[in-house]
Amino acid sequence: AQTVTQSQPEMSVQEAETVTLSCTYDTSENNYYLFWYKQPPSRQMILVIRQEAYKQQNATENRFSVNFQKAAKSFSLKISDSQLGDTAMYFCAFMKGKAAGNKLTFGGGTRVLVKP
Amino acid sequence: GAGVSQSPSNKVTEKGKDVELRCDPISGHTALYWYRQSLGQGLEFLIYFQGNSAPDKSGLPSDRFSAERTGGSVSTLTIQRTQQEDSAVYLCASSVTGTGHGGYTFGSGTRLTVV
Repeated sequence: AQTVTQSQPEMSVQEAETVTLSCTYDTSENNYYLFWYKQPPSRQMILVIRQEAYKQQNATENRFSVNFQKAAKSFSLKISDSQLGDTAMYFCAFMKGKAAGNKLTFGGGTRVLVKP
Repeated sequence: GAGVSQSPSNKVTEKGKDVELRCDPISGHTALYWYRQSLGQGLEFLIYFQGNSAPDKSGLPSDRFSAERTGGSVSTLTIQRTQQEDSAVYLCASSVTGTGHGGYTFGSGTRLTVV
């Protein structure tokens, strides 16, 4: 079974600064996908960024980027130029690369507070 | 619809009562998932639908939980004889393909409180 670990329960960052959230995972799979989801107080989980394990290039989406280290099974998220609207819970998630019906396995989450 | 819609947004029920939670996925999304988010257990997979069939029900915690999907669209999660440990946020998600590799689109969930 896969496990996903987020070791930082809470992090705070000043507006416009950079914050990095850590995520490690354990799997014997070679083909898989990794995701970061944001959950603001509205409760809706919003996809921030995804990474395909067979791609070595790190994914980026505007101010969000990842550092994917496959050998180390590490998938950290960097939020640059933090904005007040980035305040939320952030969840790292793993998905196997099989054909269909792929479940997401989530980490425990990191609460990010952006301070003005 | 434009997004995944869940109703009700909040539900308070007495222990022992049955509840039904509804999910309306994005039009055209073939796959639908239910997850449960609770303080003690984090985010847990419950069930996956491809069309109207449920190839994976492995996450349903007991036989008090059941779900169905009709017309390849709306899904209902039913909890019978609710217990206090069923209190949680129930999240529904859909994906355009059965693989889910592109990521899911989630609804805003139903917060269930059993008193």
